Amino acid sequence: DTGVSQDPRHKITKRGQNVTFRCDPISEHNRLYWYRQTLGQGPEFLTYFQNEAQLEKSRLLSDRFSAERPKGSFSTLEIQRTEQGDSAMYLCASSQGQTSTDTQYFGPGTRLTVL
Amino acid sequence: AQKVTQAQTEISVVEKEDVTLDCVYETRDTTYYLFWYKQPPSGELVFLIRRNSFDEQNEISGRYSWNFQKSTSSFNFTITASQVVDSAVYFCALSGGYQKVTFGTGTKLQVIP
Repeated sequence: DTGVSQDPRHKITKRGQNVTFRCDPISEHNRLYWYRQTLGQGPEFLTYFQNEAQLEKSRLLSDRFSAERPKGSFSTLEIQRTEQGDSAMYLCASSQGQTSTDTQYFGPGTRLTVL
Repeated sequence: AQKVTQAQTEISVVEKEDVTLDCVYETRDTTYYLFWYKQPPSGELVFLIRRNSFDEQNEISGRYSWNFQKSTSSFNFTITASQVVDSAVYFCALSGGYQKVTFGTGTKLQVIP
């Protein structure tokens, strides 16, 4: 049973560029979550999908952020016109179930640095 | 609203010492779940435990044990006979009802050989 995978592991970009991250959840998991983690903080919820439907978005998710989960499998998170404040670790997690109380299993994260 | 407080920012212990990481939470839900995750330097959060609010029995798993006290809204984590490999950031988290998971700010544990 493979765990959650994320690609790339590290991304360095210049301010104003667009970036896209990918997350592959555990295969039978129907829920997929995106979090952002900055230094010295815990993960902060960004958005989640149940199968292919995006059910909730945090107010942290500005209009420059968009996430998709076509066919309810892998997911992508795109940030347009990156800003230095977007520098963070972006974590993906997946779970099997109907609520956020089910155990979420995390991927290794994508560390974004915006110069 | 949910809130998780991990007041200990950093703890250093010498190998083989026992160490307790504190977690205090706030929620209005009557049914909720508490979690602990470990984040080693590699960055991946590793799931350790999930506990239902109706189950106040303490749990032991090897050198790890958890003390859940609903009366004080605490869910503390103890590592017995700490080892260098235990060095990591540990996060306590809470999810109630249909609310998203709320994480604490984490406690960085350094185990010195």
